[in-house]
Amino acid sequence: GENVEQHPSTLSVQEGDSAVIKCTYSDSASNYFPWYKQELGKRPQLIIDIRSNVGEKKDQRIAVTLNKTAKHFSLHITETQPEDSAVYFCAASRPGTYKYIFGTGTRLKVLA
Amino acid sequence: DSGVTQTPKHLITATGQRVTLRCSPRSGDLSVYWYQQSLDQGLQFLIQYYNGEERAKGNILERFSAQQFPDLHSELNLSSLELGDSALYFCASSFRQDWEQYFGPGTRLTVT
Repeated sequence: GENVEQHPSTLSVQEGDSAVIKCTYSDSASNYFPWYKQELGKRPQLIIDIRSNVGEKKDQRIAVTLNKTAKHFSLHITETQPEDSAVYFCAASRPGTYKYIFGTGTRLKVLA
Repeated sequence: DSGVTQTPKHLITATGQRVTLRCSPRSGDLSVYWYQQSLDQGLQFLIQYYNGEERAKGNILERFSAQQFPDLHSELNLSSLELGDSALYFCASSFRQDWEQYFGPGTRLTVT
């Protein structure tokens, strides 16, 4: 069935360093890949997304890369700041259903 | 603020009871999605409506049902509640089915 694996489950980095979170999806028909940031007790917030016709997308300190052949995509955060600390979820969706299959989340801690 | 509203914010009820969670999508959005997030768990897709019609179903229990009304707000009904139903329930909306989803603040359900 549809599945999205996300690694690592926890990640600690020093302020100013980069953080990378990786996801692998199983459904080759998936064509849309959003990333959400969720702070404790709050709603998931869309931070960046990528569609399957693009290999990379960047928005200031955040970038996402997609490898359709290998069926994986990654979130890159550069120059991390304490306010980047949160749980990050990747997701995948396919045409026809549009429901999101979420990864299990990565708890990112940026140490000051 | 995403523009998606959910009521109530918190709900405490007993096992065996029935509750209704309400969601108002962003102005102009036609699609509504419901997700369940248990403690320290990821986001599980429950059900999707588009312009009043059910479009996709996830791992939604038979005790749970939903609908989307002509004014596009949606309600999630949970009946015969069990302790394991305690969770955060999020609603998300999008303009079209293949557009990005924006999440509401969630309803925290506690079943005692």
